[in-house]
Amino acid sequence: EAQVTQNPRYLITVTGKKLTVTCSQNMNHEYMSWYRQDPGLGLRQIYYSMNVEVTDKGDVPEGYKVSRKEKRNFPLILESPSPNQTSLYFCASSSPGRSQETQYFGPGTRLLVL
Amino acid sequence: GNSVTQMEGPVTLSEEAFLTINCTYTATGYPSLFWYVQYPGEGLQLLLKATKADDKGSNKGFEATYRKETTSFHLEKGSVQVSDSAVYFCALMTTDSWGKFQFGAGTQVVVTP
Repeated sequence: EAQVTQNPRYLITVTGKKLTVTCSQNMNHEYMSWYRQDPGLGLRQIYYSMNVEVTDKGDVPEGYKVSRKEKRNFPLILESPSPNQTSLYFCASSSPGRSQETQYFGPGTRLLVL
Repeated sequence: GNSVTQMEGPVTLSEEAFLTINCTYTATGYPSLFWYVQYPGEGLQLLLKATKADDKGSNKGFEATYRKETTSFHLEKGSVQVSDSAVYFCALMTTDSWGKFQFGAGTQVVVTP
């Protein structure tokens, strides 16, 4: 089944404790992206990647890191999480060619930073 | 910079009513426009899209027309069902910043029997 998977789905952590949220897609998509969803703000893009070893900042990259060493994986790293990073996070990927603009979203990761 | 503005929700409707969700945008480049839908507890799914002026996207009875003159991409459905209850997001991406998306705040739609 074609899908985008995220792990973990739910995470409670404490301020300053490094964490990684994994994202993996099995559709051979070149493009991948991370978003955070907050009430009243909609989705805001954190980082995106056009291909392996190519990443770029979205609108809210502060406090986050990403890497794209393999085509299928795009982990989101919070080196020192803070309470303002409490949010619902979505990973997305996009197919090449004419459908490049159609993003497929993962199920989301709900993060609480205490 | 680019931005998307959506009407605030929640929008509450009775089954079979007509739905309109307004979306306007500002963009420095020439945008592609999208509507995504998020059902409770799920990720977003693409509902429809339009890539150039006057294009009409349609899917599952929903329609939206790309109006360059009014910078709008309003979502409409003629007869909603309870299963249409969800949060709807308008989004854009411009060709001069491919890969960088802007989403609206989302509009929650509640359809009652």
